[in-house]
Amino acid sequence: EDQVTQSPEALRLQEGESSSLNCSYTVSGLRGLFWYRQDPGKGPEFLFTLYSAGEEKEKERLKATLTKKESFLHITAPKPEDSATYLCAAYPQGGSEKLVFGKGTKLTVNP
Amino acid sequence: DTGVSQDPRHKITKRGQNVTFRCDPISEHNRLYWYRQTLGQGPEFLTYFQNEAQLEKSRLLSDRFSAERPKGSFSTLEIQRTEQGDSAMYLCASSSGTSGQETQYFGPGTRLLVL
Repeated sequence: EDQVTQSPEALRLQEGESSSLNCSYTVSGLRGLFWYRQDPGKGPEFLFTLYSAGEEKEKERLKATLTKKESFLHITAPKPEDSATYLCAAYPQGGSEKLVFGKGTKLTVNP
Repeated sequence: DTGVSQDPRHKITKRGQNVTFRCDPISEHNRLYWYRQTLGQGPEFLTYFQNEAQLEKSRLLSDRFSAERPKGSFSTLEIQRTEQGDSAMYLCASSSGTSGQETQYFGPGTRLLVL
């Protein structure tokens, strides 16, 4: 069964303290790996799509990377406004169009 | 690009009542998805449409749930005889479906509370 596991479940950082979030996936082939940001009470906001191992994408203080078994979301010098839940989703091969989500990492950045 | 919209944003109902939610996808997107999210969990897939055809349904979608996309534009999700376990955020997403453009863009969600 396709599965996505995110760690840690929660992360508390001081402003400016860089860190990484992990997303491990076990799927029957990967068509794509997505990262979303979700604020409380809102829908997920798209951040990145990664398609192949070794691919990297950046946006402001965020950088996403992909290997054959996991993806990392690196946060450099975070600010309080980066506080949110970060969701990872795998888009498996096999005919289904569904995304398989992890439970997310809740990030809190203190000023 | 106005994004995916959902209506209503919040719904409180009593157990046993029927509820209907609406989703308007990004205008040029022919693929539409429904997901359900409970507290502390990631979204779980419910169903998928390509144009007006419902091509995939999750086993989570019991016979009390029905979804339609009659003209290939907006979609509705109806829950009949609601139960307290149906309380969740219902999310709609859309994508263009073309190769390399599989990103699913989500709406703001409809939060359902069943009393």
